[in-house]
Amino acid sequence: GAVVSQHPSWVICKSGTSVKIECRSLDFQATTMFWYRQFPKQSLMLMATSNEGSKATYEQGVEKDKFLINHASLTLSTLTVTSAHPEDSSFYICSASPDGYGYTFGSGTRLTVV
Amino acid sequence: GQQLNQSPQSMFIQEGEDVSMNCTSSSIFNTWLWYKQDPGEGPVLLIALYKAGELTSNGRLTAQFGITRKDSFLNISASIPSDVGIYFCAGSLGAGSYQLTFGKGTKLSVIP
Repeated sequence: GAVVSQHPSWVICKSGTSVKIECRSLDFQATTMFWYRQFPKQSLMLMATSNEGSKATYEQGVEKDKFLINHASLTLSTLTVTSAHPEDSSFYICSASPDGYGYTFGSGTRLTVV
Repeated sequence: GQQLNQSPQSMFIQEGEDVSMNCTSSSIFNTWLWYKQDPGEGPVLLIALYKAGELTSNGRLTAQFGITRKDSFLNISASIPSDVGIYFCAGSLGAGSYQLTFGKGTKLSVIP
């Protein structure tokens, strides 16, 4: 149990365009999901906490207008990278927990902005 | 903010050897988690620890939640080539505060 699906697994987009990444909890409901960013050979950096039915909570230094989060249902959160630029290229990972303790991660999305 | 110090940063071992890595924190956590991440994949949960002093095993993996709640270790016995990857510790304050704080990772290489 506790499967989190993330889509797409990789995406290449042109500079200035927007990209949407989906995170789904397949076999449980998640009122809270998390979005992380990971640079090569580094640890995971929490970007924001996605709350179902309310606004996301962003970590310090993360631009909320750049990284739009929508958590419209108990099984789906989306992260939209708006007006993407090459510096936004990174590995984005979501996570969720059915019980607030053990956290399951998605398989990640490799974003490359050209 | 809270920080986790994970060591060692990397290690090379011979197949069959045992491995030990640990995490320490400047503040208390109520939950410790150990993850393994393969290249291009998301982290996979290996062991979750919820109680100070708890010792939990998952196959060849054993992890302990330190009594002070400020540290945890992970042991891997009789390593095999597929153990290669990056191991992360993570701490959480538990229910009501869902955020995880991650260590910087331990990169494990196993020499056949």
